[in-house]
Amino acid sequence: EAGVTQFPSHSVIEKGQTVTLRCDPISGHDNLYWYRRVMGKEIKFLLHFVKESKQDESGMPNNRFLAERTGGTYSTLKVQPAELEDSGVYFCASSQAGIEQFFGPGTRLTVL
Amino acid sequence: QKEVEQNSGPLSVPEGAIASLNCTYSDRGSQSFFWYRQYSGKSPELIMSIYSNGDKEDGRFTAQLNKASQYVSLLIRDSQPSDSATYLCAVADMGRRALTFGSGTRLQVQP
Repeated sequence: EAGVTQFPSHSVIEKGQTVTLRCDPISGHDNLYWYRRVMGKEIKFLLHFVKESKQDESGMPNNRFLAERTGGTYSTLKVQPAELEDSGVYFCASSQAGIEQFFGPGTRLTVL
Repeated sequence: QKEVEQNSGPLSVPEGAIASLNCTYSDRGSQSFFWYRQYSGKSPELIMSIYSNGDKEDGRFTAQLNKASQYVSLLIRDSQPSDSATYLCAVADMGRRALTFGSGTRLQVQP
């Protein structure tokens, strides 16, 4: 069974540009989560989808971040416009009915 | 603000010894507790989950939970060099699935 996959693995962009990160959860997992780790800090929750619905978006830092999960399969996280403080590693995780979450390899975002 | 505290380490143990990793949490409403292992540059890997007070054993790993003391620990028996990694403690409260992570403890197992 394939795990959670994320694309791209690395992204380097200029401040003010737009970046879109993609996450493909484990097949059959209705729950999809986004987290991020900024330099020197712990992993922080961003939001939680159940199928295509946003169940909890309390961790989204501001309106420059937009997450979608059309059709309840893969999800995208768009940052527009990107700022320097958005640099970090963005993790996606998925779970089935239970709460145990399985993480993808992450996307390392660098904003210059 | 909910917090999960871990000693950053490094915690250094000799091969074959027991490694003891500790975590405290501030939110008394926390209901679910997890230990993840993360190798450098890799994704967090779930190794243990525990939901009720007491011990839970899985192979060389034992998770211990004490909700009264707001304390959760991970014991690794017969530590191996391949266990060298950062161990992340994560908690979730009742009704939400969002995980709150500690900053992790780096474990070094010396051959």
